[in-house]
Amino acid sequence: KAGVTQTPRYLIKTRGQQVTLSCSPISGHRSVSWYQQTPGQGLQFLFEYFSETQRNKGNFPGRFSGRQFSNSRSEMNVSTLELGDSALYLCASSLDTRNTEAFFGQGTRLTVV
Amino acid sequence: GESVGLHLPTLSVQEGDNSIINCAYSNSASDYFIWYKQESGKGPQFIIDIRSNMDKRQGQRVTVLLNKTVKHLSLQIAATQPGDSAVYFCAENIEPGTYKYIFGTGTRLKVLA
Repeated sequence: KAGVTQTPRYLIKTRGQQVTLSCSPISGHRSVSWYQQTPGQGLQFLFEYFSETQRNKGNFPGRFSGRQFSNSRSEMNVSTLELGDSALYLCASSLDTRNTEAFFGQGTRLTVV
Repeated sequence: GESVGLHLPTLSVQEGDNSIINCAYSNSASDYFIWYKQESGKGPQFIIDIRSNMDKRQGQRVTVLLNKTVKHLSLQIAATQPGDSAVYFCAENIEPGTYKYIFGTGTRLKVLA
């Protein structure tokens, strides 16, 4: 069974640009969550999608958005990139939203210069 | 953003000794908790979970203890091995029934040979 796949693994963007990251969950998983990981803040919840609907959102500005497709694959988009957006972006998939184990991908390392 | 706090950012233990990693969580209504292990260059890996109706749960070489009175969670690793060297995160499900978690900044476990 394939794990959670995130693409690309690494990205370098300049300030002001936008970026789209992709996450393919484990087959059969319908819940996909996104997290931002930085050395100082640890893992911070961005948002969670279930059956193409955003169910929960963390405390991030509107520049951070996402969506989920009918095959459960998800994308997140960051517009007007800032230096502080440099981070490891992780997605996690699970079978459903109720207290179940989440499986993480290896993440996308975004560097904003 | 919100985060679950950890008492010790770095823990060094001798190989073969037991390790205890502590975590203070924030929401008394949280009903599900997970410990994750993250090795360099990888996404977090599920170790063990516990629901709020339990105060102890054991896995293979790992035990999680939950003290709801003081909102404290701990991870005990028995007979620590070099392969246990990693960063460990605790996470709490702050909105029960959803997949919104907050994570700590992590504790780095170093196993000394």
